[in-house]
Amino acid sequence: LAKTTQPISMDSYEGQEVNITCSHNNIATNDYITWYQQFPSQGPRFIIQGYKTKVTNEVASLFIPADRKSSTLSLPRVSLSDTAVYYCLVATSGTGFQKLVFGTGTRLLVSP
Amino acid sequence: EAGVTQFPSHSVIEKGQTVTLRCDPISGHDNLYWYRRVMGKEIKFLLHFVKESKQDESGMPNNRFLAERTGGTYSTLKVQPAELEDSGVYFCASSQEGEAFFGQGTRLTVV
Repeated sequence: LAKTTQPISMDSYEGQEVNITCSHNNIATNDYITWYQQFPSQGPRFIIQGYKTKVTNEVASLFIPADRKSSTLSLPRVSLSDTAVYYCLVATSGTGFQKLVFGTGTRLLVSP
Repeated sequence: EAGVTQFPSHSVIEKGQTVTLRCDPISGHDNLYWYRRVMGKEIKFLLHFVKESKQDESGMPNNRFLAERTGGTYSTLKVQPAELEDSGVYFCASSQEGEAFFGQGTRLTVV
């Protein structure tokens, strides 16, 4: 499974847009890029998944360039409740099989 | 719709004792996974069930760990005998065609 690299931590303020970039140089053709969010004392929670170009849902947007060796999670207008750890993962999807390889994640701190 | 539920939420046991963790996946999900995070480390995959069959148990640390999913519904993860290094948070997740949904985790402390 492709290893991912992302910043250890980021700081932001309420109302700002936050972009977290992830590198996955060894991504395979069948791999999807998936982002999870985790709050303390909770399990990871799915945010968004994409294969290429741009994906948007009610929570975030995911930008993936043509070479798919990196991706950027964009959180619009963050609030204090967005303070969490964000994990970028690649996984083979389509079959429901989700053997996820977690890295250290990015610890996002949103301040007033 | 109920999410993935895990029981107990916390467990404190002595070294050498046995502990059994339980996971109830989302109804209808064929795929069930166990992950764990030991202190200071990243979340690691333990094993994957498809219905009642073990598809991938490459992450199981040793033979003190036994996972079962009889009938393809809930799953148990037994640690026997527990060692100090088994302390951590054990997560269960389930999926069907799409993303994996995680439970809240069981925090296991071995003293």
